[in-house]
Amino acid sequence: GAGVSQSPSNKVTEKGKDVELRCDPISGHTALYWYRQRLGQGLEFLIYFQGNSAPDKSGLPSDRFSAERTGESVSTLTIQRTQQEDSAVYLCASSRRGYDEQFFGPGTRLTVL
Amino acid sequence: AQSVTQPDIHITVSEGASLELRCNYSYGATPYLFWYVQSPGQGLQLLLKYFSGDTLVQGIKGFEAEFKRSQSSFNLRKPSVHWSDAAEYFCAVGAMRTSYDKVIFGPGTSLSVIP
Repeated sequence: GAGVSQSPSNKVTEKGKDVELRCDPISGHTALYWYRQRLGQGLEFLIYFQGNSAPDKSGLPSDRFSAERTGESVSTLTIQRTQQEDSAVYLCASSRRGYDEQFFGPGTRLTVL
Repeated sequence: AQSVTQPDIHITVSEGASLELRCNYSYGATPYLFWYVQSPGQGLQLLLKYFSGDTLVQGIKGFEAEFKRSQSSFNLRKPSVHWSDAAEYFCAVGAMRTSYDKVIFGPGTSLSVIP
């Protein structure tokens, strides 16, 4: 595709529910990142996928967060038993290689009531 | 450990004034350096990047940045700021030690522009 896409663009859920966020990276990009951005804050690294290597999960804030990536394509970020502090914009970015320029998606705005 | 610092959390400048945003990094390899901008309600956009060669790089929107290895810095500059430059600016660093190395972002600097 022309760019990184994310779905849904907005998600409102109730506390305790599970949510799944999707990211479609640019074709051919081997690296994929997930970030969280709370209102007025910077980028909080969550997880990094690079090719077929084991993902770098060092940024996941708790075991309620998990992510998967199918080969070098779609990735899903799952948040189980959502809490109000999970409310944020979740950004996905892809790059040709891990150390290269990142192309960001528009984000998914998650609101937990 | 690798790290990126942006010492200024928030900067306010007058329209037409010059701008310099600071970025310092700690990285155990020759770095790849990036500046991104996030305008209010907008996505992140690459302003410029440095991989090698000339240490002064030009970017979009009239921005430039200079890589100074001796100071481990990659400061962003603009000679005359426009009101539309009000945004959040992020410095980022990567390195090609292995194909697995990832890019690290700094905490960001928020820029306000006074008319």
